[in-house]
Amino acid sequence: AQSVTQLDSQVPVFEEAPVELRCNYSSSVSVYLFWYVQYPNQGLQLLLKYLSGSTLVKGINGFEAEFNKSQTSFHLRKPSVHISDTAEYFCAVTRMDSSYKLIFGSGTRLLVRP
Amino acid sequence: DTAVSQTPKYLVTQMGNDKSIKCEQNLGHDTMYWYKQDSKKFLKIMFSYNNKELIINETVPNRFSPKSPDKAHLNLHINSLELGDSAVYFCASRSSYNEQFFGPGTRLTVL
Repeated sequence: AQSVTQLDSQVPVFEEAPVELRCNYSSSVSVYLFWYVQYPNQGLQLLLKYLSGSTLVKGINGFEAEFNKSQTSFHLRKPSVHISDTAEYFCAVTRMDSSYKLIFGSGTRLLVRP
Repeated sequence: DTAVSQTPKYLVTQMGNDKSIKCEQNLGHDTMYWYKQDSKKFLKIMFSYNNKELIINETVPNRFSPKSPDKAHLNLHINSLELGDSAVYFCASRSSYNEQFFGPGTRLTVL
């Protein structure tokens, strides 16, 4: 079975500071990795994904993430955050099989302060 | 031209009632999903259909019954609603690149 751990339930940061949201996963088989963002009272929007190839993936809104197979991590980073980045961020994995169901972490609330 | 739409957006009902949530996608995808987000924001897969065929049925009470009349629609019917069913329900569809696109969610409140 797969599992995803987001150790930080909330990350406060000042505007224009860098941020890293941590994600670790556990799986006995190969997986795809995703980061989703959820703004208040909205659905989930895909930020970025790792399917194969380069371990550094770039997404929307200036976010990037690095897949580290040996550490089973997929941390999300942004060099300079904006107030508008305040949201809930979810890391997710899916097995490479016919179902491709997403297994989500518990989420990290990014709170950007002026 | 919303990609994945859900109706209704809000649903408030009494315990014991039966209700349905509808989902439609205009992306041409074959696979659709239902996820439940609880009050602590935790997201969990419930069901998945591929081209009208059920492929995932997680440990969900059988009061929940998905129905897919065609590959663009996946509806969720819930019988005998309970307080614990209160949550936000998200529909999603999956592209051939394994990206899942989510609808705006339906907030169900059972009183």
